[in-house]
Amino acid sequence: AQTVTQSQPEMSVQEAETVTLSCTYDTSESDYYLFWYKQPPSRQMILVIRQEAYKQQNATENRFSVNFQKAAKSFSLKISDSQLGDAAMYFCACLGGGAQKLVFGQGTRLTINP
Amino acid sequence: KAGVTQTPRYLIKTRGQQVTLSCSPISGHRSVSWYQQTPGQGLQFLFEYFSETQRNKGNFPGRFSGRQFSNSRSEMNVSTLELGDSALYLCASSLVSGNTGELFFGEGSRLTVL
Repeated sequence: AQTVTQSQPEMSVQEAETVTLSCTYDTSESDYYLFWYKQPPSRQMILVIRQEAYKQQNATENRFSVNFQKAAKSFSLKISDSQLGDAAMYFCACLGGGAQKLVFGQGTRLTINP
Repeated sequence: KAGVTQTPRYLIKTRGQQVTLSCSPISGHRSVSWYQQTPGQGLQFLFEYFSETQRNKGNFPGRFSGRQFSNSRSEMNVSTLELGDSALYLCASSLVSGNTGELFFGEGSRLTVL
C-alpha cells in the first residue's frame, strides 16, 4: 500500500519566479512510479512530470523539474519562470505494486500573482 | 487523436436513485480506471478495467460497480445514491495495465445528489 502526503494546501508565487511544491510518500514496493499532475479550473487532470523510482536522475520537462530523494521518500516539484497558466491544483501521486492504481496526495493549490 | 470522453458532464439525482456514467478512452487504450474526487476525501481509486476484466478495486461499497465493453468503453454505476456520493467522477485511460505509469484523464462527470 502507498500513502502520499502534500503538506502545503496552498502556495503562491510571483510571475516569473520559482516555486517548489513538496511531497512525501511511503511505499513498500521496490518498483514504483511517482507523478505530478496538474488540475486547472477546467478540471481535466494533466500529467506534468513522471519519475521512475529506479532512475537516480531527476526528471525534467521544460520549466518543470523534480527533486527525487528516494531514501527520504521525498518528491518535490520545482516550477521555474512561473507563468499565469501554471495556476492550478497540483497533485502528487504514486503508482506501484503492479496495479494501475494511482494514490494521490491531497493537493496544493498554486496561485500565480501577476 | 481524441482524448478521454466522459458523459454526462453534469447530472443531478436524488437519494435512492441510481446513476450510470460513461467513459470512452483514447483510441487504442485498453485500460480504464475510475476515480472519485471530493473536497473532503480527495482523489480515491474506484476500480480499473482491462480487456473487459476488473483488474483492481478500491475500498468502496458494492453500490459502486463498473464494466468494460469490447471496444474498451467503460461505464460505472452507482445504485441507491447517498448524499455523500456527490463528487466529481474522473475516468482515466492508459495503453496497458500495470506499472506502466502515465494515465490520461477525462474532464469528469459532476454528480450532485439531493
